[in-house]
Amino acid sequence: GQNIDQPTEMTATEGAIVQINCTYQTSGFNGLFWYQQHAGEAPTFLSYNVLDGLEEKGRFSSFLSRSKGYSYLLLKELQMKDSASYLCAVKDSNYQLIWGAGTKLIIKP
Amino acid sequence: GAVVSQHPSRVICKSGTSVKIECRSLDFQATTMFWYRQFPKQSLMLMATSNEGSKATYEQGVEKDKFLINHASLTLSTLTVTSAHPEDSSFYICSATPLAGGPNEQFFGPGTRLTVL
Repeated sequence: GQNIDQPTEMTATEGAIVQINCTYQTSGFNGLFWYQQHAGEAPTFLSYNVLDGLEEKGRFSSFLSRSKGYSYLLLKELQMKDSASYLCAVKDSNYQLIWGAGTKLIIKP
Repeated sequence: GAVVSQHPSRVICKSGTSVKIECRSLDFQATTMFWYRQFPKQSLMLMATSNEGSKATYEQGVEKDKFLINHASLTLSTLTVTSAHPEDSSFYICSATPLAGGPNEQFFGPGTRLTVL
């Protein structure tokens, strides 16, 4: 079967750095996405990786290793507004998005 | 940027009634729209994929006679929850892929919170 694993919950301090990991096992691979979702709201797009390596976008960076079936989202200079759930999703061979359960990130002052 | 709207944002209905949720792409034409359901503290669950002018493709376990999807135009898809029951209470989210965009672009609506009493 297809599977996306990410930690259920993480806690970090304002101003610090946090890394959210995601491992996947899917039938085929056509890209990995990270979305941010605040409680009661729809997801918003953060990043897309299809080749190995690090993609940096401001305070957020995303890394992919296809051989290891692994990605991480790195958030720097954490702000209270970064408290949200972070969803990892992979497009399989049919271009269908397979979603992880999400990681709830709690930022403490 | 591309904007997707949903209406209504919240709806409360009695058990046995039907509820229609609209999903509109406001500034782009969408070849494909997706309907998701999300229960509290769980991830998104794809319910169905709809393409303009054709029948929706439902995911396994989703009753197509209960969740009616109509994608009548390139900017509008509707989801009708028929004979709603309390277990249908959930957060329903649509997303759309632009006609002129790449296959990796998917824009989400703000979601509709359905509560069935």
